Amino acid sequence: KAGVTQTPRYLIKTRGQQVTLSCSPISGHRSVSWYQQTPGQGLQFLFEYFSETQRNKGNFPGRFSGRQFSNSRSEMNVSTLELGDSALYLCASSSPAAGDQETQYFGPGTRLLVL
Amino acid sequence: SQQGEEDPQALSIQEGENATMNCSYKTSINNLQWYRQNSGRGLVHLILIRSNEREKHSGRLRVTLDTSKKSSSLLITASRAADTASYFCATDAGFGNEKLTFGTGTRLTIIP
Repeated sequence: KAGVTQTPRYLIKTRGQQVTLSCSPISGHRSVSWYQQTPGQGLQFLFEYFSETQRNKGNFPGRFSGRQFSNSRSEMNVSTLELGDSALYLCASSSPAAGDQETQYFGPGTRLLVL
Repeated sequence: SQQGEEDPQALSIQEGENATMNCSYKTSINNLQWYRQNSGRGLVHLILIRSNEREKHSGRLRVTLDTSKKSSSLLITASRAADTASYFCATDAGFGNEKLTFGTGTRLTIIP
């Protein structure tokens, strides 16, 4: 099976702009989660989508949003970019069985630089 | 916020030696997973241990879990240069709350 793919891999934006990142999960996986990784805060959970519904949300401002499509592909959007949004954004997919948690498989990440 | 701490923050050992990393967490968990990350790239899943398990092996990896102490350890035996990476533990709270809460990571350097 192909792994989790993320596009684009690298992105440079300026403050105030908005950005959309895309994630294609492993075929058959219905859960997609997004994480932000920065040197200062480490790996932080953004949100999780399952069957097109946001099921969990982390402690990020409303500028961070996401959605999931019927084919389980997911996008996250960050509006009004700030310098502090510079980070590696990681997407992970999993196929949680009822009552159990399966492994989350991560994509290569999108490195966002905000100038 | 981080679930807990990993210890040590950095570790350098000679190739062939064993490496041990520890992870502590704060709340009850369903599973604990260990991941490896090379130079700011994506995370590679290494091993998952469930809350009702105490020890698990996978190749050169051995993971232990002590839920009474809220801690886990990852042992890499016979280390290789390719093991140089950052290692993270991550916990989840169970079905319907699958978000992973990561530790701060251990930077492992294998000296050839």
